[in-house]
Amino acid sequence: NAGVMQNPRHLVRRRGQEARLRCSPMKGHSHVYWYRQLPEEGLKFMVYLQKENIIDESGMPKERFSAEFPKEGPSILRIQQVVRGDSAAYFCASSPDIGTRNQPQHFGDGTRLSIL
Amino acid sequence: KQEVTQIPAALSVPEGENLVLNCSFTDSAIYNLQWFRQDPGKGLTSLLLIQSSQREQTSGRLNASLDKSSGRSTLYIAASQPGDSATYLCAVKTDKLIFGTGTRLQVFP
Repeated sequence: NAGVMQNPRHLVRRRGQEARLRCSPMKGHSHVYWYRQLPEEGLKFMVYLQKENIIDESGMPKERFSAEFPKEGPSILRIQQVVRGDSAAYFCASSPDIGTRNQPQHFGDGTRLSIL
Repeated sequence: KQEVTQIPAALSVPEGENLVLNCSFTDSAIYNLQWFRQDPGKGLTSLLLIQSSQREQTSGRLNASLDKSSGRSTLYIAASQPGDSATYLCAVKTDKLIFGTGTRLQVFP
């Protein structure tokens, strides 16, 4: 049973470009969470999605950032017009459909985004 | 607003010592608390999850306790080994996980 898969593992972009980060949850999981870890800081919640719906986006910047989890395919975190401050590790987690509140979240290995 | 604090921020000990890592949170309205391990440049590995109705969980040399009313959890590591060197994160679950800033542990031979 494959774990949470994130790709790419490393992504380099120049200022002003777009970054697309992908996350495939564990099989049977339809709840996906995105977290950001800035250098030397803890993980911060960004957005919580369930298939085709955004449940909570309170941690996601209002501008330039968007997330989706379509009916088919991985969840995508999209950052437009990237700036140096977007350099961070972005982690995705998933949890099962049943009893999700009490279930552990399973994390991917992250995407490390570097902005030149 | 829920805030999670971990003490100490860093810890360096010789191999074989028993360790206690501390986590405190400000709002007791949580579903569960989860302890993770993070190696440099890597993702998070879940170590233990304690439901809000539970007092402790054990896995091998690890034991985690939870006192929800006082907003505290401890992670006890018995007979530490160099392979335990990593950053340890605690996180409380509301509708999302809220993380502490971690304890960076180094166990030297």
